[in-house]
Amino acid sequence: DTAVSQTPKYLVTQMGNDKSIKCEQNLGHDTMYWYKQDSKKFLKIMFSYNNKELIINETVPNRFSPKSPDKAHLNLHINSLELGDSAVYFCASSKQRFYEQYFGPGTRLTVT
Amino acid sequence: AQTVTQSQPEMSVQEAETVTLSCTYDTSESDYYLFWYKQPPSRQMILVIRQEAYKQQNATENRFSVNFQKAAKSFSLKISDSQLGDAAMYFCAYRGYQGGKLIFGQGTELSVKP
Repeated sequence: DTAVSQTPKYLVTQMGNDKSIKCEQNLGHDTMYWYKQDSKKFLKIMFSYNNKELIINETVPNRFSPKSPDKAHLNLHINSLELGDSAVYFCASSKQRFYEQYFGPGTRLTVT
Repeated sequence: AQTVTQSQPEMSVQEAETVTLSCTYDTSESDYYLFWYKQPPSRQMILVIRQEAYKQQNATENRFSVNFQKAAKSFSLKISDSQLGDAAMYFCAYRGYQGGKLIFGQGTELSVKP
């Protein structure tokens, strides 16, 4: 059973398009996160939700909008995609924000 | 703001040998957590080991152990009896006591030679 799943695993799209990445966890965790890993493999937090409430919102362009329909899901919607958005996006979850974070398999986004 | 630094972009070890990956961090907090994550070519992030700052005893997980030096703000990972499957990118990460985001270092690419 996959603990944290992301769809799609690969996403190739053109500049200017709007796309979404979905994340689901079946661990019963309360807190979920989005991280971005750039081309140099540097990982940085983007957002975090706790029980559907936004608790972390780093300096991210407002073209990125997270949405948490329930505490098992945290989706990432990106408007007007730019070349610099190409990266691997990781979803993660933790029991609460104090506990270990478990990562999804990542979504490689390529903007052409 | 907290920062994490891994000064070794690449390391290499012979199979069955021991290797140590370095990590330093900067924080003004007294309580926090430190982690090592492994990212193999499959890109899955795998938690290797964690250390609570309030614990003096170094954490160990089978062949993996840490050398935690709180005063020096140093947190190195030792891999004993290296195996081919240990080849991966290793990330050191910091998390404050109040929880929330992980702050990652730049990563160290470990290769294992047969």
